[in-house]
Amino acid sequence: GENVEQHPSTLSVQEGDSAVIKCTYSDSASNYFPWYKQELGKGPQLIIDIRSNVGEKKDQRIAVTLNKTAKHFSLHITETQPEDSAVYFCAALRTGANNLFFGTGTRLTVIP
Amino acid sequence: ETGVTQTPRHLVMGMTNKKSLKCEQHLGHNAMYWYKQSAKKPLELMFVYNFKEQTENNSVPSRFSPECPNSSHLFLHLHTLQPEDSALYLCASSQETGRTSHYGYTFGSGTRLTVV
Repeated sequence: GENVEQHPSTLSVQEGDSAVIKCTYSDSASNYFPWYKQELGKGPQLIIDIRSNVGEKKDQRIAVTLNKTAKHFSLHITETQPEDSAVYFCAALRTGANNLFFGTGTRLTVIP
Repeated sequence: ETGVTQTPRHLVMGMTNKKSLKCEQHLGHNAMYWYKQSAKKPLELMFVYNFKEQTENNSVPSRFSPECPNSSHLFLHLHTLQPEDSALYLCASSQETGRTSHYGYTFGSGTRLTVV
């Protein structure tokens, strides 16, 4: 099955700086890569996703890049704010499957 | 609220108890999932229901028993659990359309289960 690895496990940045979280996957057939944000006491919330027919997608301060050849994808958050502090999960899925494989999560702390 | 509601939010149960977790989605989705979230581990898929039919049982012990009476409701029945089953149990839903799946999963806030 798919194996998704995520780094780093914890990340602290100063408010206004950028944060980058990286994930690798093992199944070359995976073609959908979502990112989730989980705040304390809540379930994961989808914040951005990318499909394998594109290399980059941006939504305001967050962006995701995908390198299918290298089988890795990254989340970029610019101009970080304290409310960006949360645990972020990457995931991968292939067409026809209904099991999202998740990374182990990155705890992001934005220091005011 | 995300449109997926889980109850109870917190549950403490003894190893000989029987309890049930409930999930309800108001999004019109046709697939529902149970995930287990333990500290420092990836989210683990437990069960998948598509159109009320169980399509995946990810080697889950029989002390966990799912039930999906309709496409809006999902239950997880628990009995004779072990302390290592303590975790956050998350329900999710999505709209699966066959070859062109929607992919987006909507999660509930979870039930924090403690087995004593």
